[in-house]
Amino acid sequence: QKEVEQNSGPLSVPEGAIASLNCTYSDRGSQSFFWYRQYSGKSPELIMFIYSNGDKEDGRFTAQLNKASQYVSLLIRDSQPSDSATYLCAPNDMRFGAGTRLTVKP
Amino acid sequence: KAGVTQTPRYLIKTRGQQVTLSCSPISGHRSVSWYQQTPGQGLQFLFEYFSETQRNKGNFPGRFSGRQFSNSRSEMNVSTLELGDSALYLCASSPSRGPPSYNEQFFGPGTRLTVL
Repeated sequence: QKEVEQNSGPLSVPEGAIASLNCTYSDRGSQSFFWYRQYSGKSPELIMFIYSNGDKEDGRFTAQLNKASQYVSLLIRDSQPSDSATYLCAPNDMRFGAGTRLTVKP
Repeated sequence: KAGVTQTPRYLIKTRGQQVTLSCSPISGHRSVSWYQQTPGQGLQFLFEYFSETQRNKGNFPGRFSGRQFSNSRSEMNVSTLELGDSALYLCASSPSRGPPSYNEQFFGPGTRLTVL
């Protein structure tokens, strides 16, 4: 059983919309979570991390963590075509989810 | 500051051979992790090294091994290559300061291994 579950998508949103990416995890001991973005043919790059319940905002990105529900999400506001990529979620043990492919259509 | 470097970038081997991949972490980073990425399985954790010791290990067969040197550079070795080993192998380094829970990883460009 995979420890981290993500909807593989593809998720398609129009430009300017809010993209919502979700991740559930099974290990209640996970203390922090990392969101990475991976463009096709490139390596993953860190977007942000969160370790406290609640929301954490960084520019157009907001990470949300609910440890009771074992759920973490990433919201991308005012989505741009340049946000089109695969988004990977990982707890602190770095067992990555399969990733969600996001397409932002102009 | 220079990023994570990996060599070689591309490699073609045949079944049964062995291969060694190299990773140089960001200066000052003490932790190096290795991942295998394939279209079907996604990004899978192989192992992590910290101060020359394997600190964490994924669910891969013993054909996959690694080591870390005193300068934090790391190598990964795959023996008796199989067709299914064809993948992108990514190395990531982490500063590993403070609790491990809070240490983000920085990925290298990867080594694309093709096994014929």
